[in-house]
Amino acid sequence: EAGVAQSPRYKIIEKRQSVAFWCNPISGHATLYWYQQILGQGPKLLIQFQNNGVVDDSQLPKDRFSAERLKGVDSTLKIQPAKLEDSAVYLCASSMGRRNTIYFGEGSWLTVV
Amino acid sequence: KNEVEQSPQNLTAQEGEFITINCSYSVGISALHWLQQHPGGGIVSLFMLSSGKKKHGRLIATINIQEKHSSLHITASHPRDSAVYICAALTGTASKLTFGTGTRLQVTL
Repeated sequence: EAGVAQSPRYKIIEKRQSVAFWCNPISGHATLYWYQQILGQGPKLLIQFQNNGVVDDSQLPKDRFSAERLKGVDSTLKIQPAKLEDSAVYLCASSMGRRNTIYFGEGSWLTVV
Repeated sequence: KNEVEQSPQNLTAQEGEFITINCSYSVGISALHWLQQHPGGGIVSLFMLSSGKKKHGRLIATINIQEKHSSLHITASHPRDSAVYICAALTGTASKLTFGTGTRLQVTL
C-alpha cells in the first residue's frame, strides 16, 4: 500500500516569497491533515479536511496560509508571503476517518532565509 | 499546563534495557496514538488504542482510561529504537489530535 506522498521534500526560499506544498493521501482516506512542526516542538495542526470540506482551520494563519483539497483527494498548502518564523517541517497526514489510525508523510522541510 | 503531558522528556538507555515512556492527559479522549519520529524522518504511527493493551514486536502500549494514563514500553531496546516518541490524544467531537511534547530516546551500545 502506497503511503502519504509529499513534495517537495526540501525548499529554501527568501522571506516574502511564496511556496506551495503538495500532498497525496493514501487512497480512500477521507480525512487529511496539515501540520506544522517547528524544530524541537510537537506538530501543530494547521488544517483538517474531511473529504473536500474543512473541519478545523482555527490555527491556520489565514493572512498568509491557504490550503485546498479539490475533489477530496490531493491537497495543496500555500504560504504567501513567507516569514522567517515559517521555517518548519510541514507534515501531511491522512486517515480513513477521524477515529482511525493516522498515517504521516515524510514531511516537507521549509527554510525561509 | 498542557492537556497531554509526557515523561521523561529525554531518556538515555543502554542496549538491552527495558524502557517505559509515560503519557498523562487531562481531557476526555476517544483514543490515544503513540507515534515515532526519527531525526529527519516522518512520523510513524505505532499504536492507536482506546482501552487495554496492544503489542507489536518489542513494543507494548497500555492505557488506563480511569487514570487517564498510557505507557509505551520497549523490551530489549536497540540503538535503532533511538527516536522521539510522541503520544497524541484524540479528543472532542471533531476528533482533534492533541500532541504531547515528546520523549527523546537515545539507546547506546
